[in-house]
Parts: sequence; structure tokens; C-alpha cells
Amino acid sequence: QKEVEQDPGPLSVPEGAIVSLNCTYSNSAFQYFMWYRQYSRKGPELLMYTYSSGNKEDGRFTAQVDKSSKYISLFIRDSQPSDSATYLCAMKSQGGSEKLVFGKGTKLTVNP
Amino acid sequence: EAQVTQNPRYLITVTGKKLTVTCSQNMNHEYMSWYRQDPGLGLRQIYYSMNVEVTDKGDVPEGYKVSRKEKRNFPLILESPSPNQTSLYFCASSHTRTVLGAAFFGQGTRLTVV
Repeated sequence: QKEVEQDPGPLSVPEGAIVSLNCTYSNSAFQYFMWYRQYSRKGPELLMYTYSSGNKEDGRFTAQVDKSSKYISLFIRDSQPSDSATYLCAMKSQGGSEKLVFGKGTKLTVNP
Repeated sequence: EAQVTQNPRYLITVTGKKLTVTCSQNMNHEYMSWYRQDPGLGLRQIYYSMNVEVTDKGDVPEGYKVSRKEKRNFPLILESPSPNQTSLYFCASSHTRTVLGAAFFGQGTRLTVV
């Protein structure tokens, strides 16, 4: 079983829709959870990160972590064509071997 | 402007010819890291650095070397490149250990080894 699983999509939604992007993981040592956005032919950009379980909101973006289910989500409200990109989740443990492990990314298209 | 700068952006080289990809950040970040991105495999961490002269292996360090002699620079060295190192490479930096040098990314270096 891979440490981090992410559905590659592609995911296509109409403008204004609520988008839900998800990752599952197998390593219970993961404590930090990140979401990145990567536009075509660009480097990833960090959207937000959370520690342990719970929700975190930043504008139209909400990150959610459910450690009991080993499941994390990123919600995008009122999606815009400019949100069209590949979204990557990433995770890291605390202490010990602190490698950052990425999901393979979900390609999102928001249609005007 | 805060940025991470990689050079070169594109590089075609031959097997076995040593090369260096430079990375520089102007944000005074302590943490820096290197990644490679391959279709179907996603983004994988090669090395990271927590400060000057402090580096550690990521998931795929084989065939790569790094050095951190100055805070702003973190070059990636391929002593004897092979075709399986053909990839898109990203350098990144951060001020916090939480994201282990993966907050601000460079523009990428597309390397082809023939």
C-alpha cells in the first residue's frame, strides 16, 4: 500500500461549484498535512497546511483532516476558472525520519 | 521580490557528464529542498537541508549530491548522470520546519540525459 494515495482525476466542474479533493494515507505517524496548487509548467505553490486533526479555512479554501480515517480533504468554494490546476497533497511526520511525502496530484478544470 | 531561482531552466546532457543545477533563495530561509517530478510518480524529495552544512536524504537520493555552504544557495550535483535521471527538478525553501523546505518553489529545471 502506498503511503499517500490521491485520485489523479481529471476532475471537471462548472464555475461556482464546490470542489472536494481528497487524499488517504497509511502512515499513522503523519502529523502535518499540506495542500499545494501547481499550474501547468510552473512550480507548486503551498496553499495551506494543518497540524493533526481538524479544519482550517483560508478564504475560499478549507482543509480538513480526519486522522481516525487517515483521510484529508481540500474544499474549494465558489470555484473559478483560475482554480484550474493540479492539486497535490503532502504529509510529514514529526520527529524521526521527517521526509515530506506527496500524493500524485489531482488535475482540476473549472469550466466558465 | 521573494523568489527561488534555479538555473538552468532546460538542460540536455550526455550520460556520465557531471552537472550542477544551481538554486538560490533571497528570503533568508533556513530550510531548502530538492524534488524531482515524473509522470505517474509525482513529486519525490531528493534531499533537504535544515541549515548551512546540515543536509539529509529524502526518498530518492541515489545518484545525487548536495551541499549547503551558504544559507541562500543549495546546488544539486549529478556526478555521473544516467538516463533514468531525466526528469523535472524543483528546488524549494521555507522558513519553517513544518514543510521541510517546501513552501516556495523555483520555476523548475527540465533535465534530459541521453
